[in-house]
Amino acid sequence: LAKTTQPISMDSYEGQEVNITCSHNNIATNDYITWYQQFPSQGPRFIIQGYKTKVTNEVASLFIPADRKSSTLSLPRVSLSDTAVYYCLVGDSTGNTGKLIFGQGTTLQVKP
Amino acid sequence: DTGVSQNPRHKITKRGQNVTFRCDPISEHNRLYWYRQTLGQGPEFLTYFQNEAQLEKSRLLSDRFSAERPKGSFSTLEIQRTEQGDSAMYLCASSPEGATTAYEQYFGPGTRLTVT
Repeated sequence: LAKTTQPISMDSYEGQEVNITCSHNNIATNDYITWYQQFPSQGPRFIIQGYKTKVTNEVASLFIPADRKSSTLSLPRVSLSDTAVYYCLVGDSTGNTGKLIFGQGTTLQVKP
Repeated sequence: DTGVSQNPRHKITKRGQNVTFRCDPISEHNRLYWYRQTLGQGPEFLTYFQNEAQLEKSRLLSDRFSAERPKGSFSTLEIQRTEQGDSAMYLCASSPEGATTAYEQYFGPGTRLTVT
């Protein structure tokens, strides 16, 4: 799986929009980009997945530029409960096992 | 959909003892994964099942580790002769079959193992 680089930590305040950028310079043509959220003492939770341009769901938006060498997870109007670790992963969708390779993730701290 | 369940949630054992964990995936999911997570790190892949077949096993998994999924439903992970380095959170995840959905995995709450 392509290696990803993301900030170790970020701080924000309630009500703000948070953008977490992930670099994946070696992304391959068949790779999809997936983001997970993890709260302490819980398993990771799937947030969003995309291939190109923009994907939006009820939780977040994912922006992927044309060259796909990076992606940005956007969380609108965060609350204290969004404090968590966010992981960016990329992986091949063709004939794959779905094995996820996590990095250290970005620890987001939302302050009141 | 009751989600992925894991039992026990916590396990304390003495070094050298054997332990077994159970995972019940979401019923219609044929893919099942085991991961291990230590403090401050992201989860590490251990092994993967498609139905009852174990199709991939990480090199991290020593001979002391074995996993089964006998009828393609629940799975067990056994660690023999536990060592203090085995202390970690053991996570199970499942996903439905499909190209893009393979990365949309549903994780259980994990089993926290402490080896004393």
